Amino acid sequence: DSGVTQTPKHLITATGQRVTLRCSPRSGDLSVYWYQQSLDQGLQFLIQYYNGEERAKGNILERFSAQQFPDLHSELNLSSLELGDSALYFCASSPGQGKSYEQYFGPGTRLTVT
Amino acid sequence: EDQVTQSPEALRLQEGESSSLNCSYTVSGLRGLFWYRQDPGKGPEFLFTLYSAGEEKEKERLKATLTKKESFLHITAPKPEDSATYLCAVQTVYNQGGKLIFGQGTELSVKP
Repeated sequence: DSGVTQTPKHLITATGQRVTLRCSPRSGDLSVYWYQQSLDQGLQFLIQYYNGEERAKGNILERFSAQQFPDLHSELNLSSLELGDSALYFCASSPGQGKSYEQYFGPGTRLTVT
Repeated sequence: EDQVTQSPEALRLQEGESSSLNCSYTVSGLRGLFWYRQDPGKGPEFLFTLYSAGEEKEKERLKATLTKKESFLHITAPKPEDSATYLCAVQTVYNQGGKLIFGQGTELSVKP
C-alpha cells in the first residue's frame, strides 16, 4: 500500500458525459501528479500540482482539468468524454521540490466510456 | 526530445534463470532514473531511484545499475512472484516540476 488513495476504482459512463476522479496523496506529500495509461500510449503525464498551484502540464486535453485543494487532495475532471478517453488514470504523490523525487502511485481509476 | 526505450518488450524465464532488462534513455539532463514494478490493473510500485552513472541499488533478487546512456535491472534467480511489468522512467533537470517520462515497459513472466 503506497498511501495514495483514489476513488472511484471503476467508472463506466457514456460519451459526452463528465466525470470527476479523486486522489488523496500520502500524508505530508505536497505534490500530486496525474497520469493516463492506455494500451497504445503507455503511461503519459497529464498535470502536476504543488501545494495548491499548478506546476507543470503535459499533453493534457482542453476537455480535462484538475485542481488541488487546501487539504492537498486533488480532483481530475474529464468532460465531453470520448471513447478514446477510456484508460487507467493514476495519481501519484511526492514530498515536493527537494531531493526526494520518488513518486508513489495510487491504485488507479479505470474509466470506461461507452 | 527526451525519450526512454525499454527492451525486450517481453521476457519469459524459467524459475531460477537470471537475466537483465534494459532501459536506454536520451535526455537533455538527467535528474534521476526510476524503476517501477506494475502488476496487471494496479498502480506502479516504486523500486529504485538512481541519480548518477556508476550507482547501483539492490533489493532482494533485483539489482539496478546506471550508466550515462542506459540502466539495467538484473534479476537473479527469479521466482514466479517476480512476474510483472517493469517500468523505467526518467526525470530531467529542464522540466518544470517533476514529471516522469516512462518507457513502454518489459513484461516479465517467470514459469515454475
